[in-house]
Amino acid sequence: KQEVTQIPAALSVPEGENLVLNCSFTDSAIYNLQWFRQDPGKGLTSLLLIQSSQREQTSGRLNASLDKSSGRSTLYIAASQPGDSATYLCAEMNYGGATNKLIFGTGTLLAVQP
Amino acid sequence: GAGVSQSPSNKVTEKGKDVELRCDPISGHTALYWYRQSLGQGLEFLIYFQGNSAPDKSGLPSDRFSAERTGGSVSTLTIQRTQQEDSAVYLCASSPIQGSHEQYFGPGTRLTVT
Repeated sequence: KQEVTQIPAALSVPEGENLVLNCSFTDSAIYNLQWFRQDPGKGLTSLLLIQSSQREQTSGRLNASLDKSSGRSTLYIAASQPGDSATYLCAEMNYGGATNKLIFGTGTLLAVQP
Repeated sequence: GAGVSQSPSNKVTEKGKDVELRCDPISGHTALYWYRQSLGQGLEFLIYFQGNSAPDKSGLPSDRFSAERTGGSVSTLTIQRTQQEDSAVYLCASSPIQGSHEQYFGPGTRLTVT
């Protein structure tokens, strides 16, 4: 069974710090990995998608990396801001299946203190 | 352009009643997914539609759950004889079939069964 795990479950940092969120997965046939942000009571906002052939993607202050051999992805947030406070979810898509469903991690609840 | 929309945003129903949840995907996206987010289970896949192919219903938790997609666009998720454990946020996503298969999520429907 494919599993996705995120560590830590919760994180609190002061404004301005750089931080790393971790995601690990057991699926060796990963097709892509997506990072999402979820604000309380809201849906999911896609942040970054990394294809299995890529090692990283960047968008503004966000950088996501993918290491298939170790089954890990990280989301790096530079110069954190209070507006970054949200739950961050990673999800992997399996390669070769007829269904392109996402397997989600348990999420990291981030609080950036002003 | 318009994103994925879902209605209603909130639904409170009595145990035993039937409910219908609606999803309007992004125009031109041929793939449509339903997921459920509940406190104890995290985010889990329910059902997947792709064009005119038979849907993948492998994630539906019981035969009280069904979904259809009319004309390759709008989808309806129906829950019959609702139970309290059906209380959750139901999220819909769509994606193009080519390229990265990046999934775009709607805001969700929060279902409360009393």
